[in-house]
Amino acid sequence: QVQLVQSGPEVKKPGDSVRISCKTSGYTFTDHHMHWIRLAPGQGPEWMGIINIGDDVPRSSQKFQGRITFTRDTSTATDYMELNGLRSDDTALYFCARDNNWATDYWGQGTPVTVSS
Amino acid sequence: QSDLSQPASVSASPGQSITISCIGTHDDIGRYHHVSWYQKRPGQVPRVIISEVWTRSSGVPFRFSASKSFNTATLTISRVQPEDEGHYYCCSYTSRDSWIFGGGTHLTVL
Repeated sequence: QVQLVQSGPEVKKPGDSVRISCKTSGYTFTDHHMHWIRLAPGQGPEWMGIINIGDDVPRSSQKFQGRITFTRDTSTATDYMELNGLRSDDTALYFCARDNNWATDYWGQGTPVTVSS
Repeated sequence: QSDLSQPASVSASPGQSITISCIGTHDDIGRYHHVSWYQKRPGQVPRVIISEVWTRSSGVPFRFSASKSFNTATLTISRVQPEDEGHYYCCSYTSRDSWIFGGGTHLTVL
């Protein structure tokens, strides 16, 4: 069965970086794009970016451009998202989510990131 | 780019019907068929219930339906059930080659 398993909780200080992994299984990794989405308390989901399988060129929301990096390791079927220059308002639950027909059908369990001095 | 606009909350008794609107612009909902709806219950990850404007995901009851007109997408839940309680989020692809979500609507089943 399709599974997306993310790395564990992170506690960071302002200005730090965080790298979250998303290990996939149960499907052909290179057949699907991967979205990264975050959910902050009391807010709706926020789309952060996507790794497009066709050209492996990641695209990100303008809000995060310049401080977000996406990478993928096809040998381990794992995607990574790194966010730099963390601020307190980056405190959220971060998800990877598989793209299927312009929507997301499988999500990781979420990685809580807390940014606090 | 602002979030898609949704009402913050809606409530209904079991058996009633509700609609949730999702207002966007001509750069997202108004331009693309790539509109989806997500349900999020407490303690669970969001799950897609509708994609491509009106296509129900596998296992989603027929009482969930959706549509769009111009810049507004609408989710309708007929014969609301207690297990429908939770947050509902709309999502659209945009002309900036990105995706945008709504702020979410909490459905309370009375």
